[in-house]
Amino acid sequence: DGGITQSPKYLFRKEGQNVTLSCEQNLNHDAMYWYRQDPGQGLRLIYYSQIVNDFQKGDIAEGYSVSREKKESFPLTVTSAQKNPTAFYLCASSTQQGGEKLFFGSGTQLSVL
Amino acid sequence: GENVEQHPSTLSVQEGDSAVIKCTYSDSASNYFPWYKQELGKRPQLIIDIRSNVGEKKDQRIAVTLNKTAKHFSLHITETQPEDSAVYFCAASIVGAQKLVFGQGTRLTINP
Repeated sequence: DGGITQSPKYLFRKEGQNVTLSCEQNLNHDAMYWYRQDPGQGLRLIYYSQIVNDFQKGDIAEGYSVSREKKESFPLTVTSAQKNPTAFYLCASSTQQGGEKLFFGSGTQLSVL
Repeated sequence: GENVEQHPSTLSVQEGDSAVIKCTYSDSASNYFPWYKQELGKRPQLIIDIRSNVGEKKDQRIAVTLNKTAKHFSLHITETQPEDSAVYFCAASIVGAQKLVFGQGTRLTINP
């Protein structure tokens, strides 16, 4: 299962708390992505990054923040402004700049206490 | 922006029969259409993809067809096996645009 690693597998958030999800890849991929998966809604893009120190908002970026200080790492912070954070979060990476052929991590299940 | 609709949301077939999942997209500029399979508790994995310059692509028991005029594409699985049970996602994007838009997913169950 090497290549792209997400941690933790399960995470619980209290009211008003920010939490950070980790995503690390050793595939030497330039592009990295964060998707949110809710039952019956498919995968929705939160943020993506094509190169170090640059990232763009996806379709549902409100209440989330990211950083890309290293090529290998793309952490996602779920802030207190995200009122419905319970979901399965998937990180992905890609060699192609167009977001093709995504390689996914194993995901983090975030729940609210 | 792009919108992808996927049907059906659930599909149950007898082992050995064929399964078909259909997707429609809204942006006529989309030119890349992948399909991902997500087994229970596992990460999504790319199983087949097609570009808009091709009408059909096959890989063993799976095939994808594309109708650009109607803006729809389909996944066909023949001689289904128990290991085909999973959630399947279609997606669409414009090559180079970075944004892959996914359908809602289809839960396929293969009955022995």
